[in-house]
Amino acid sequence: QVQLQESGPGLVKPSETLSLTCTVSGGSISSYYWSWIRQPPGKGLEWIGYIYYSGSTNYNPSLKSRVTISVDTSKNQFSLKLSSVTAADTAVYYCAKTTVTTDWYFDLWGRGTLVTVSS
Amino acid sequence: DIQMTQSPSSLSASVGDRVTITCRASQSISSYLNWYQQKPGKAPKLLIYAASSLQSGVPSRFSGSGSGTDFTLTISSLQPEDFATYYCQQSYSTWTTFGPGTKVDIK
Repeated sequence: QVQLQESGPGLVKPSETLSLTCTVSGGSISSYYWSWIRQPPGKGLEWIGYIYYSGSTNYNPSLKSRVTISVDTSKNQFSLKLSSVTAADTAVYYCAKTTVTTDWYFDLWGRGTLVTVSS
Repeated sequence: DIQMTQSPSSLSASVGDRVTITCRASQSISSYLNWYQQKPGKAPKLLIYAASSLQSGVPSRFSGSGSGTDFTLTISSLQPEDFATYYCQQSYSTWTTFGPGTKVDIK
């Protein structure tokens, strides 16, 4: 069955760019939407944005100026870049398969990866 | 932004209890409301989509209802594995938002 796995540095310095990759295994990245969602320690969930396999994107307006999500169909991967990070960006970052119809929801999640922003 | 609230923020219940969690939107979202369960240290899991549709593989003791601004998640008979935090998510707008969560723990 389809599985998602996040990877990337667990520690990022303030003002630098956070970069994460989600690898999709057991199925093709094509024909689906893929999201990034984060959760600060002990807090709730915040959607960051999604990408369609064709490359079209939709971002959370509160993060849009700092976020880039891209897809590499040849590697079955999609990626997140978040620039100019601060301590407020410390969170567990999840990638998720996103079903988009008239409704849209996250029906398969990766295990998440903790990213700490600290000097 | 569409703001989501949940009540209660936490509750204590016993195995076998009927549990109801409420989610309210700051404006009408039709039936564009989804529910997730999250256990400590784990990723969220989709339970209900489109307000009342049960995700494949989710036990039938979970049910969802509502439309417009008010929604409920009901667990008909609480099981030991159901102790977790539950989040609602609206997908009416172009960008989605989650409720703050309801933690269900053991009485």
